[in-house]
Amino acid sequence: AQSVTQLDSHVSVSEGTPVLLRCNYSSSYSPSLFWYVQHPNKGLQLLLKYTSAATLVKGINGFEAEFKKSETSFHLTKPSAHMSDAAEYFCVVENYGGSQGNLIFGKGTKLSVKP
Amino acid sequence: SAVISQKPSRDICQRGTSLTIQCQVDSQVTMMFWYRQQPGQSLTLIATANQGSEATYESGFVIDKFPISRPNLTFSTLTVSNMSPEDSSIYLCSAWSGQGGEKLFFGSGTQLSVL
Repeated sequence: AQSVTQLDSHVSVSEGTPVLLRCNYSSSYSPSLFWYVQHPNKGLQLLLKYTSAATLVKGINGFEAEFKKSETSFHLTKPSAHMSDAAEYFCVVENYGGSQGNLIFGKGTKLSVKP
Repeated sequence: SAVISQKPSRDICQRGTSLTIQCQVDSQVTMMFWYRQQPGQSLTLIATANQGSEATYESGFVIDKFPISRPNLTFSTLTVSNMSPEDSSIYLCSAWSGQGGEKLFFGSGTQLSVL
């Protein structure tokens, strides 16, 4: 069965320090994986996506994620947090042809950035 | 937390027909949204479903093509009208649940294929 687990519901960092948002997935085949960000009163915005090309994926706003098949992980990182990064982040696996549904969302990680 | 049931999970339709997708939430929610994910693309917001009034559509989406209903605080429908193969996508319902902690929840999506 396909699933997505975001290991932290809330992460708090200081401005200028690194960000790590963890995501583990379960899939019986090579999945397509996404990270989205949700700012208050806004729609979901795509940060980056993995579709079986390079395992290190660079996204917008300095974010990147590394697909590690051996660890079934797709953690989101950023070297230096900015105040504007404070938002909710969702890890998503695309599940074409699966029985559980088409898009499986993690429960989200709320990122807080302290001055 | 809120649980969103979206159906159908997938359908194959003929050109020129219409399909209505239903989204049922197990608790009252403040805001509901409809998204589309075309093959190889990211989620795009179609509209915000407003309870008791007309939906608010994003640029590029119109009511005649994507009529939306939201008769109460737990239910919404999206109709894809006069379908063409270009409408083949995943359609996703999501909702904000604001009970002291605003949180975004997602349906599992509807995979639509138009022949």
